[in-house]
Amino acid sequence: SQKIEQNSEALNIQEGKTATLTCNYTNYSPAYLQWYRQDPGRGPVFLLLIRENEKEKRKERLKVTFDTTLKQSLFHITASQPADSATYLCALPLYGNNRLAFGKGNQVVVIP
Amino acid sequence: EAGVAQSPRYKIIEKRQSVAFWCNPISGHATLYWYQQILGQGPKLLIQFQNNGVVDDSQLPKDRFSAERLKGVDSTLKIQPAKLEDSAVYLCASSSGTGAYNEQFFGPGTRLTVL
Repeated sequence: SQKIEQNSEALNIQEGKTATLTCNYTNYSPAYLQWYRQDPGRGPVFLLLIRENEKEKRKERLKVTFDTTLKQSLFHITASQPADSATYLCALPLYGNNRLAFGKGNQVVVIP
Repeated sequence: EAGVAQSPRYKIIEKRQSVAFWCNPISGHATLYWYQQILGQGPKLLIQFQNNGVVDDSQLPKDRFSAERLKGVDSTLKIQPAKLEDSAVYLCASSSGTGAYNEQFFGPGTRLTVL
């Protein structure tokens, strides 16, 4: 069956460092992958979409890579700030691109 | 631009009771989604509407859950009767397009506790 895996352990990182999160998937061949941010008590907020033919995508201090051979996406936050503390979710399409399946999310805590 | 509105924000009920959630999507967004997010998990799609028609309800427990989207705008999600395992946050989202690649805008969610 199709699976999306994100690290369940929170990532604690010092302010100014680069945070790197991993999203692995199995039994998938997604045409794209999305990343969302979720703060406590709030709904997810869309950050980035990367397509299978794009190796890398950037938005301000965020960088996403997509390796279809490894079936993995990496999400980087450079020069991390305490305001970046949140849970980050990856999401992939299922069944002909009509339904998004979300990973469990990975919490990031940026320590001042 | 106003975001996706949901109410109530919190609801506590006893098992076997009924509950309803309301969602007002972003104006002009044709596609509306209801997700269930259990603590520590990612959102799971329950139902997707395109205007007032159902596109995907394959993961909706139809023996107890129902949803409607009247006039292709507001939507309500109902649970009747509720079970303990229905305790979760119910998120409504909307998007301007029909494909899952379209950015989805989420509301704040309704946190349901079933006792």
